Amino acid sequence: EVQLVQSGAEVKKPGESLKISCKGSGYSFTSYWIGWVRQMPGKGLEWMGIIYPGDSDTRYSPSFQGQVTISADKSISTAYLQWSSLKASDTAMYYCARFRYDYMRAFDIWGQGTMVTVSS
Amino acid sequence: AIQLTQSPSSLSASVGDRVTITCRASQGISSALAWYQQKPGKAPKLLIYDASSLESGVPSRFSGSGSGTDFTLTISSLQPEDFATYYCQQFNSYTLTFGGGTKVEIK
Repeated sequence: EVQLVQSGAEVKKPGESLKISCKGSGYSFTSYWIGWVRQMPGKGLEWMGIIYPGDSDTRYSPSFQGQVTISADKSISTAYLQWSSLKASDTAMYYCARFRYDYMRAFDIWGQGTMVTVSS
Repeated sequence: AIQLTQSPSSLSASVGDRVTITCRASQGISSALAWYQQKPGKAPKLLIYDASSLESGVPSRFSGSGSGTDFTLTISSLQPEDFATYYCQQFNSYTLTFGGGTKVEIK
């Protein structure tokens, strides 16, 4: 079964760092882009960036460039999203998803989401 | 950056109704548009890709059309399990954007 499994919910204080993960299985992890999507409470979907685990080519949304870092470790089929200094406004659900760059140009497989809460 | 404007932002409909949601791009994107369904507390689910292609396993009552800047998602006969929020998404030169969403509620 093709799936993406994300790390568990996090509760952090402003200024702390954080790295959440997304592990792929059931397919060739290095052959598909992985994207990250933010959903703030009660709001819509926002694309943050995508990474190609095969060569770590990474593209960021202008809105998130410099705010987060996307990386991947192809040896363990895992992508990451990290913050160096969290803010209260980073409180949101974060989804990873497999991006089909071929004829689909869409996210066909989604992780279950990781809830990040930033509060003092 | 390409913007996507969905309308309406919400609608009320009854089971069996035909429902149409529109998505307008700020510039032409050919057919690089997808539609997703999201239910409360769940991850989005891909319904339509390449503007009009039905994802495997998605009921045929869902259909998509359009190209260039104007796109539509149609549910031919609304079912109880279709009450959800729907999003469009575009891809252009390694940049993606989601529309603001359309919440479909029970009338």
